[in-house]
Amino acid sequence: GAVVSQHPSWVICKSGTSVKIECRSLDFQATTMFWYRQFPKQSLMLMATSNEGSKATYEQGVEKDKFLINHASLTLSTLTVTSAHPEDSSFYICSARGVGEWETQYFGPGTRLLVL
Amino acid sequence: AQSVTQPDIHITVSEGASLELRCNYSYGATPYLFWYVQSPGQGLQLLLKYFSGDTLVQGIKGFEAEFKRSQSSFNLRKPSVHWSDAAEYFCAVGGAGTASKLTFGTGTRLQVTL
Repeated sequence: GAVVSQHPSWVICKSGTSVKIECRSLDFQATTMFWYRQFPKQSLMLMATSNEGSKATYEQGVEKDKFLINHASLTLSTLTVTSAHPEDSSFYICSARGVGEWETQYFGPGTRLLVL
Repeated sequence: AQSVTQPDIHITVSEGASLELRCNYSYGATPYLFWYVQSPGQGLQLLLKYFSGDTLVQGIKGFEAEFKRSQSSFNLRKPSVHWSDAAEYFCAVGGAGTASKLTFGTGTRLQVTL
């Protein structure tokens, strides 16, 4: 149980284009989903917290207009990197927290983004 | 503010040897503590968690961790390491409430020699 998927696992795009990453909770309903960014050989940096049906809460220093987050249902959250640039290249990981199990986050497999 | 310190950046052990990964936390209230493991290019898998009760918690893959409030520690242990345990290990602390977030340590990379 508690499986979280991400799609795509890998994406390469040209500078200036937008990229959408999906995060799905497969076998539970996620009231809250989190988006993290991880640089090589570093820990996870929380970018934003999204609750189903409401606007995402962004961490300090994260551009909300660049990283658009939508949490339209209890099983799906999306992160859209708008007008991507090479410095946005990174490993993006989502996690989900289920109804009635609010203290534990279950993580997806991650999406590696390379912007050329 | 909450924080997690993993003092060991890199640890190498021989297969079959015992393992202990250190984690110290700072948290103003009752901590919720977690250990996650990350294989290269993968997401994080939950190994175990501690909320309350017995201070020695058992997790998956033969791992266990002991919560020591007096030392603000939550060290991860395994009696006999397997080559497949080579990965990055993250300790994290969170709190009660739906608004709680996780704070991660910087991770410990485990290398296993045959």
